[in-house]
Amino acid sequence: NAGVTQTPKFRILKIGQSMTLQCAQDMNHNYMYWYRQDPGMGLKLIYYSVGAGITDKGEVPNGYNVSRSTTEDFPLRLELAAPSQTSVYFCASRQSGTGGGYEQYFGPGTRLTVT
Amino acid sequence: RKEVEQDPGPFNVPEGATVAFNCTYSNSASQSFFWYRQDCRKEPKLLMSVYSSGNEDGRFTAQLNRASQYISLLIRDSKLSDSATYLCVPGANSGYALNFGKGTSLLVTP
Repeated sequence: NAGVTQTPKFRILKIGQSMTLQCAQDMNHNYMYWYRQDPGMGLKLIYYSVGAGITDKGEVPNGYNVSRSTTEDFPLRLELAAPSQTSVYFCASRQSGTGGGYEQYFGPGTRLTVT
Repeated sequence: RKEVEQDPGPFNVPEGATVAFNCTYSNSASQSFFWYRQDCRKEPKLLMSVYSSGNEDGRFTAQLNRASQYISLLIRDSKLSDSATYLCVPGANSGYALNFGKGTSLLVTP
């Protein structure tokens, strides 16, 4: 059981380039999330998905796109990278449901620098 | 108003000390909470869940005070490895994503 995995671990992009951050989970979780975390700041929700084929915007979706074709995978696409997108990106998942026992599990993160 | 409020710290304590963090929450309907721990530049990891009045796991004790709407985390016999940021997170009462703030920074010194 690998949990939540993310690739790549590190990436340097030039301004205007595009890339896809990969995220996969093997816990059969319906809910999946993408966060970004800037230095000294909390996590900000970019996009989330409550199941295959269903995605929705979070707090900071501009400049990003997502898709969810399977329960396991939730890739995040950056189009036309900008320096403001330099950050650490975390993918997370959890079981559907409210209240206790439905904690989120995080991947190890992707550290992205845009220069 | 933010869903939770935590003192960002940093809390600097000597090894072996006892330290407590408080977290106040605004939604009186919140039934459960999580304490997550985040090491520098790493992903948050679940430390403890808090459902009723509290929970204890080794050196860590979490207490929930519904009347005053706060949750506390007590760390006894602090270790150098306890240095991290501790995040108080309400369970999902509605909606889909948990709300992660900046947390409280703890530095345990020799």
